[in-house]
Amino acid sequence: AQKITQTQPGMFVQEKEAVTLDCTYDTSDPSYGLFWYKQPSSGEMIFLIYQGSYDQQNATEGRYSLNFQKARKSANLVISASQLGDSAMYFCAMREGRDQAGTALIFGKGTTLSVSS
Amino acid sequence: DAGVIQSPRHEVTEMGQEVTLRCKPISGHDYLFWYRQTMMRGLELLIYFNNNVPIDDSGMPEDRFSAKMPNASFSTLKIQPSEPRDSAVYFCASSFYGTSGMGSYNEQFFGPGTRLTVL
Repeated sequence: AQKITQTQPGMFVQEKEAVTLDCTYDTSDPSYGLFWYKQPSSGEMIFLIYQGSYDQQNATEGRYSLNFQKARKSANLVISASQLGDSAMYFCAMREGRDQAGTALIFGKGTTLSVSS
Repeated sequence: DAGVIQSPRHEVTEMGQEVTLRCKPISGHDYLFWYRQTMMRGLELLIYFNNNVPIDDSGMPEDRFSAKMPNASFSTLKIQPSEPRDSAVYFCASSFYGTSGMGSYNEQFFGPGTRLTVL
C-alpha cells in the first residue's frame, strides 16, 4: 500500500484564488512528520511547510497552510491568493519515527499546479 | 549559506560507462540522503548516511550502484556500468539532528539535482 497518496495529478486555478492540494498518508507510527515541497520547472526541491503528528494547530507559513486532519490521515496544502509563480509540481512527503532526522522522506507522486492570469 | 551543492548538474553518457555524482552537504549537517526521481517511480530514497556511515542502502537498485561518504563534507554516488534505465534526476539532501530554528523539525535541504542521461 502506498504510504503517501496524492490523487490529483493536475490542478488548475486562476490568479488570486485559493487552491487545495490533497494528500493522504498511511502509517501506524504515532510519531511522524508531514512535509510539502514545491518543485518548479527548474527542478529544485523547495521546502514549504511542516506538520508534526503531535502538533495541536495546523501549520501556516505565509500563503501556505496545512489542513491537518489526523483521524482522516490527511494533510492537505492550502495556497491562498495564488500567484503565477506558484505554477509547479507539489509533493507531499512523510517521515516516520521519533528520530525524524534519521529517516528518509517518503514522497507522493505529486500534483502539478497551473496558475493562469 | 551555500546550500547543498551537487555536481555535475547535467551528465550525458553512453551505456556501459562509469558515472560519478558528487554532493557537498550543508556544513554541520550530519545526515546525507541520496534520492532518485523518475517519471515512473517518482522520488525514491537510494541510500542515506549518518556521520559518514551508511545507515540504509535498501533503495540502491543493484550492485552497479555504490555510494561513499569519506568525510562530513563530501559524498559520491557511482554507477558502473551505467544503463539507459538509470536515466533520472539524482538529488542529494542533508539535515541535522537539532532543535533550533528551521532544524527543529529536521527539514531536509535538497541540492539542485544532477540530471543523468544514459544513451
